Amino acid sequence: EDQVTQSPEALRLQEGESSSLNCSYTVSGLRGLFWYRQDPGKGPEFLFTLYSAGEEKEKERLKATLTKKESFLHITAPKPEDSATYLCAVVNAGGTSYGKLTFGQGTILTVHP
Amino acid sequence: ETGVTQSPTHLIKTRGQQVTLRCSSQSGHNTVSWYQQALGQGPQFIFQYYREEENGRGNFPPRFSGLQFPNYSSELNVNALELDDSALYLCASSLPRTGELFFGEGSRLTVL
Repeated sequence: EDQVTQSPEALRLQEGESSSLNCSYTVSGLRGLFWYRQDPGKGPEFLFTLYSAGEEKEKERLKATLTKKESFLHITAPKPEDSATYLCAVVNAGGTSYGKLTFGQGTILTVHP
Repeated sequence: ETGVTQSPTHLIKTRGQQVTLRCSSQSGHNTVSWYQQALGQGPQFIFQYYREEENGRGNFPPRFSGLQFPNYSSELNVNALELDDSALYLCASSLPRTGELFFGEGSRLTVL
């Protein structure tokens, strides 16, 4: 069974204080690893897809990296508007449905001004 | 470009009742997935529809059922509601063979 574990559960940062979120995964074959951002009362918003170990993607202050067992979401010089829950998800290469994402429980990020 | 829209946004039902949730997919997307998100948890996959047929299902009982229509909109039906069905139900549309999903804002179901 595919499993995704995110840590920490919650992270509080001062504005400008860089840090990383961790996503550990267990899957028989990885089709893709995804990062989403979710604001309170909203649906998740797609950020990145990573397909193979060593791959990196960047978007503004966010950078996602992937190894064979985990992914990191690095946040550089965060701003209060980066506050949200960040969700990691995997798709199994053996599945019939590309849309069957297995999500972690998320990391709640709060950035204080 | 119209995003994913869901209705209703909030609803309250009692145990044993039935509920239907509706979703309009983003323009150009022919694949719809439904997820259940309990408070403080990540979303859990219910099922996916492609070309009006179920294309993958998660660990949910048969009382969770769905439909996709020719215009790619979709419905989620839940029969014999239980207290544990209280959650945010998310619909997501996408192109085929991608995990890049576009989510609606969800329907918040409370079962009393």
